[in-house]
Amino acid sequence: ETGVTQTPRHLVMGMTNKKSLKCEQHLGHNAMYWYKQSAKKPLELMFVYSLEERVENNSVPSRFSPECPNSSHLFLHLHTLQPEDSALYLCASSQDRIDKTKVNTGELFFGEGSRLTVL
Amino acid sequence: EDQVTQSPEALRLQEGESSSLNCSYTVSGLRGLFWYRQDPGKGPEFLFTLYSAGEEKEKERLKATLTKKESFLHITAPKPEDSATYLCAVQADSGNTPLVFGKGTRLSVIA
Repeated sequence: ETGVTQTPRHLVMGMTNKKSLKCEQHLGHNAMYWYKQSAKKPLELMFVYSLEERVENNSVPSRFSPECPNSSHLFLHLHTLQPEDSALYLCASSQDRIDKTKVNTGELFFGEGSRLTVL
Repeated sequence: EDQVTQSPEALRLQEGESSSLNCSYTVSGLRGLFWYRQDPGKGPEFLFTLYSAGEEKEKERLKATLTKKESFLHITAPKPEDSATYLCAVQADSGNTPLVFGKGTRLSVIA
């Protein structure tokens, strides 16, 4: 139990569906992240939220839409996905946002992931 | 562009057979190097942070070391429960990505 809970654990959707992934952290952390993990590829950062701002990876297609209503909850809204979007989507949190401006412990707390299959 | 390369891609060891995993990195300025462990069907779990060349960290059968170009994760007398994918990541002092991850090394320890 890492303190980061993701739901659903598994999701199968068609290309025209709209669905959402949910993440909740119980650690009192200030930053939350969405990562995509595909086979044979490194973890790919999608979005970062902190108390101050949202940092978005410019290469993320608009069919992925994040939402962070408060510091404990993070959503990833999915719409009109493609089969190549099938992957494990991981949510993570950290005490403070990890960025280039300061030394950080690098300690991310990950959830167990949502396995997404797009048909 | 910041890069992290892990080798080997997969490693199979007999129980008790010590070995090392490699993480080579290319970054403009290193703020830290991090090791994670990922079990099948789970998210990565943080293991170590290394900040400067010459630094070492230990945890049970694992020991992480850092040079100016690479890090090693030494596994001494591994047990089957050490089987997992080990991920390396770096934090650079420039660029937009907070942590750059490698593809990982999949370790299997056979009893």
